[in-house]
Amino acid sequence: GENVEQHPSTLSVQEGDSAVIKCTYSDSASNYFPWYKQELGKRPQLIIDIRSNVGEKKDQRIAVTLNKTAKHFSLHITETQPEDSAVYFCAASYIAGTASKLTFGTGTRLQVTL
Amino acid sequence: GAVVSQHPSWVICKSGTSVKIECRSLDFQATTMFWYRQFPKQSLMLMATSNEGSKATYEQGVEKDKFLINHASLTLSTLTVTSAHPEDSSFYICSASGQSSDTQYFGPGTRLTVL
Repeated sequence: GENVEQHPSTLSVQEGDSAVIKCTYSDSASNYFPWYKQELGKRPQLIIDIRSNVGEKKDQRIAVTLNKTAKHFSLHITETQPEDSAVYFCAASYIAGTASKLTFGTGTRLQVTL
Repeated sequence: GAVVSQHPSWVICKSGTSVKIECRSLDFQATTMFWYRQFPKQSLMLMATSNEGSKATYEQGVEKDKFLINHASLTLSTLTVTSAHPEDSSFYICSASGQSSDTQYFGPGTRLTVL
């Protein structure tokens, strides 16, 4: 089955700096890669996703890049703000029409300091 | 749109009792629902996948007789933890996805504490 590794496990950046979180996956059939943000005790919230037919996607301060050959994808957050502090999870899935099970990475705890 | 609710948000029970958790899609029809378990400071681990009207598919290592899943309608799935023990204490989260959609929307989670 799919295995997703995520690094780093913790990341501390100063407000205004950029943050990068990296994930690798094992199953070359995976074609859907969402990123979730989870605040303490709350539900994971989808912040951005990318499908295997594109290499990069951007939404304001958040971007995701995908390298299918190397089987890795990354989350980039620019101009970080204190409210970006949370745990971020990457995930991978093979989608064929409808939702399929997600395999999550181990999570990255991002701390944005003033 | 795409709101998923869970009930209860937290529950404390005695060892040996059963607990039922409900997951509802409020504004869309959820053809597929997923149940996850999350221990403190850990990732989400998929327990099972359920499609409306059919039996759930359990992940390896998850006891189907202990974690009963029912997905009787397009807006409701239930997870029953039978004969709960302290090691079952965890954060249980459901997600739901509609037909022709690959996005999973998560519920707010249920924190189960077994004494």
